Amino acid sequence: AQSVTQLDSHVSVSEGTPVLLRCNYSSSYSPSLFWYVQHPNKGLQLLLKYTSAATLVKGINGFEAEFKKSETSFHLTKPSAHMSDAAEYFCVVRGVLSGGYNKLIFGAGTRLAVHP
Amino acid sequence: EPEVTQTPSHQVTQMGQEVILRCVPISNHLYFYWYRQILGQKVEFLVSFYNNEISEKSEIFDDQFSVERPDGSNFTLKIRSTKLEDSAMYFCASSAEGGSTDTQYFGPGTRLTVL
Repeated sequence: AQSVTQLDSHVSVSEGTPVLLRCNYSSSYSPSLFWYVQHPNKGLQLLLKYTSAATLVKGINGFEAEFKKSETSFHLTKPSAHMSDAAEYFCVVRGVLSGGYNKLIFGAGTRLAVHP
Repeated sequence: EPEVTQTPSHQVTQMGQEVILRCVPISNHLYFYWYRQILGQKVEFLVSFYNNEISEKSEIFDDQFSVERPDGSNFTLKIRSTKLEDSAMYFCASSAEGGSTDTQYFGPGTRLTVL
């Protein structure tokens, strides 16, 4: 079965320092992976997605993620945090044909705090 | 930029009452979804809907739940007899075409509180 594990429930960084949000996936097939962000009182917004093209995926707001099959990881990074990056981040994998192709399977989320 | 909208933003109801949560998907999208997030838990898939019928549903989506696209713009989730454990944030999503590269766009959610 498909699943994702977000390794940190909370991450705190200072403004201007790098961000690393960790995600490991489990999949029997070549996965489709996503990162979504949720700001307070807002919907879930897609940051980026991996669908078996380039392993380094660039998203919005300066975020990027690298798909590493050998490590079953899809960590989200940003070189320099901004106060507006404070939000909850979800690592997501798509289900497979035999088990729900159009459903998304969410990780538990990582809450990112950015301090001045 | 087109977006998914949901109403109401917050619904409070008594246990045993029926509730209808409403969503307006992005206008040219063909696939529609409901997810929920119980406080402190993961976002969970409930159901997907395509071509006026349910295409997939989770074990959570039992006979108390139903979905409908009553007209060309709305997509609704009905809970017939609410239970305390139905209290959650309910997210609607839509996507253009399904498939491995498809992106689901989410609404802001409806917070359902069952008393």
